[in-house]
Amino acid sequence: DAKTTQPTSMDCAEGRAANLPCNHSTISGNEYVYWYRQIHSQGPQYIIHGLKNNETNEMASLIITEDRKSSTLILPHATLRDTAVYYCIVRAFSLQAGTALIFGKGTTLSVSS
Amino acid sequence: DTGVSQNPRHKITKRGQNVTFRCDPISEHNRLYWYRQTLGQGPEFLTYFQNEAQLEKSRLLSDRFSAERPKGSFSTLEIQRTEQGDSAMYLCATPGGRTNYGYTFGSGTRLTVV
Repeated sequence: DAKTTQPTSMDCAEGRAANLPCNHSTISGNEYVYWYRQIHSQGPQYIIHGLKNNETNEMASLIITEDRKSSTLILPHATLRDTAVYYCIVRAFSLQAGTALIFGKGTTLSVSS
Repeated sequence: DTGVSQNPRHKITKRGQNVTFRCDPISEHNRLYWYRQTLGQGPEFLTYFQNEAQLEKSRLLSDRFSAERPKGSFSTLEIQRTEQGDSAMYLCATPGGRTNYGYTFGSGTRLTVV
């Protein structure tokens, strides 16, 4: 699986958009970008994933650059409950594949009022 | 309700004791994963099962660690002769769940070895 690079930490004011970047310059053509987050004392939670098109769901939006070498997770209106560690993971999509998710250290997002 | 239940949530044990954790996926999944997470780090893969078969083990899984999934449903992770370095959060995950795209993780068992 391709390696990813994320900033160690970010701050965001409550109600503002949080934009979390991720670099994955060695991504392969069949690899998807996944985002998970982990709130303190809980297990990681799936947020969103994408291949090359921008994606949006009820939790967030995912913007992937045209060359696919980087992406941005957008939380449009951050709340205090969005304070968490956010992990960007690149891997080939297949829930049938045995390969486990490989986590980096992620970005610690702190949302303040 | 995460779809994966782990017990106990917390465990404090003395060095040298054996401990066992349990993972119960609410829905049947043929694959089940164990991870370990230490403070300030992302989860690290330990092992995974395809039904009852343990198909892959990380080099992090020393011979003091053993995992089982006897009927292809729940799984147990045992650590023998615990060491202080075993103190960590132990997470269990299965594919699918609410979104059917990602993995569903349990809330983990936090082990403290004193």
